[in-house]
Amino acid sequence: QKEVEQDPGPLSVPEGAIVSLNCTYSNSAFQYFMWYRQYSRKGPELLMYTYSSGNKEDGRFTAQVDKSSKYISLFIRDSQPSDSATYLCAMKEYGGSQGNLIFGKGTKLSVKP
Amino acid sequence: EAGVAQSPRYKIIEKRQSVAFWCNPISGHATLYWYQQILGQGPKLLIQFQNNGVVDDSQLPKDRFSAERLKGVDSTLKIQPAKLEDSAVYLCASSPQGSTDTQYFGPGTRLTVL
Repeated sequence: QKEVEQDPGPLSVPEGAIVSLNCTYSNSAFQYFMWYRQYSRKGPELLMYTYSSGNKEDGRFTAQVDKSSKYISLFIRDSQPSDSATYLCAMKEYGGSQGNLIFGKGTKLSVKP
Repeated sequence: EAGVAQSPRYKIIEKRQSVAFWCNPISGHATLYWYQQILGQGPKLLIQFQNNGVVDDSQLPKDRFSAERLKGVDSTLKIQPAKLEDSAVYLCASSPQGSTDTQYFGPGTRLTVL
């Protein structure tokens, strides 16, 4: 079993829809959770970062962490065609300079006008 | 602020040939990473540098891959000899001193091994 599981999709939604992206993990030592967005032929860019259970909101994006279930989610409200990209979850055990990121496979999202 | 620069952007080689990739991190960033991203997969860390010292190279196939970061700034990643399974995007990332939580990625080098 991989440490981080993420449904690769692809996921296609109409413009304006609410999108839910999810990852599960097996390592209970993971404490820090990130979502990266990767456009085609570009490097990943950090979208959201959280280290506690609960919700964190930033504009149209909400990151949710449930450590008891080992489950994280990213919600996108009022989705736009410009949100079309691959979304990667990532997590690590330690903060600061220790530990490396473990990524999911990524979910490819397409938002149709 | 300039981002992470990588070159070349694309490279096609025959198996058993050698290849090198170059990375220039964001100015002042002490930590530099090389990741391998195979098509349809998430990035996998190959090596992490803190200034010019290696912090983690546990997933670097050392029989064929090598990396260096002279003077704690630019870095090169080399593959010698290349195998078909090395076809992937090689991403360089950097982060400020004391924080690996926020990593800034370059555009990557897409390697095709024929």
